[in-house]
Amino acid sequence: DTGVSQNPRHKITKRGQNVTFRCDPISEHNRLYWYRQTLGQGPEFLTYFQNEAQLEKSRLLSDRFSAERPKGSFSTLEIQRTEQGDSAMYLCASSLGEQEAFFGQGTRLTVV
Amino acid sequence: KQEVTQIPAALSVPEGENLVLNCSFTDSAIYNLQWFRQDPGKGLTSLLLIQSSQREQTSGRLNASLDKSSGRSTLYIAASQPGDSATYLCAVRGNTGNQFYFGTGTSLTVIP
Repeated sequence: DTGVSQNPRHKITKRGQNVTFRCDPISEHNRLYWYRQTLGQGPEFLTYFQNEAQLEKSRLLSDRFSAERPKGSFSTLEIQRTEQGDSAMYLCASSLGEQEAFFGQGTRLTVV
Repeated sequence: KQEVTQIPAALSVPEGENLVLNCSFTDSAIYNLQWFRQDPGKGLTSLLLIQSSQREQTSGRLNASLDKSSGRSTLYIAASQPGDSATYLCAVRGNTGNQFYFGTGTSLTVIP
């Protein structure tokens, strides 16, 4: 499968715990995006990488959120000290430059 | 900031009908516009990408148009089928090319 892969698909965690999600983009894509989607809403931009450089971060990305793309390939999104308001679907996408973006299946986070 | 609106929020049609989904955006300085499909609890599947210089794109029973000056795009679905039931999202990429701005989607139900 050469699509965008996200792991895990589902994560249930207790409030205050740290969680980390992984995204493997399409191999030749230099751009990688993280979005967050809550029920009934469209996805909201979190952050974007071009190769290994994190070039833009949304104000939604509080200090508890950190993203990395260490070798310009896969990316991780970590949330520290999770809160109930962090419960959402976290979506990763990749593209070659400004061309068509492809999304993964998402990671559904539930904070209890 | 780019604002994207999709109307209607929900649509229910009998199988076989042709239908039109609407997307409007406030800033006409866009790089491209992409239509996605999202099934419940799943990620986004790319349907069509229209570059800012294009007026129309077609894929099978789907046809997307773009009128950049008026800030509008439509997605036309011909001969709808129950398998078309999903939420349809439009996403606008701004001229900086860095992120997408999504609408809240149109939830489509095709009744057999």
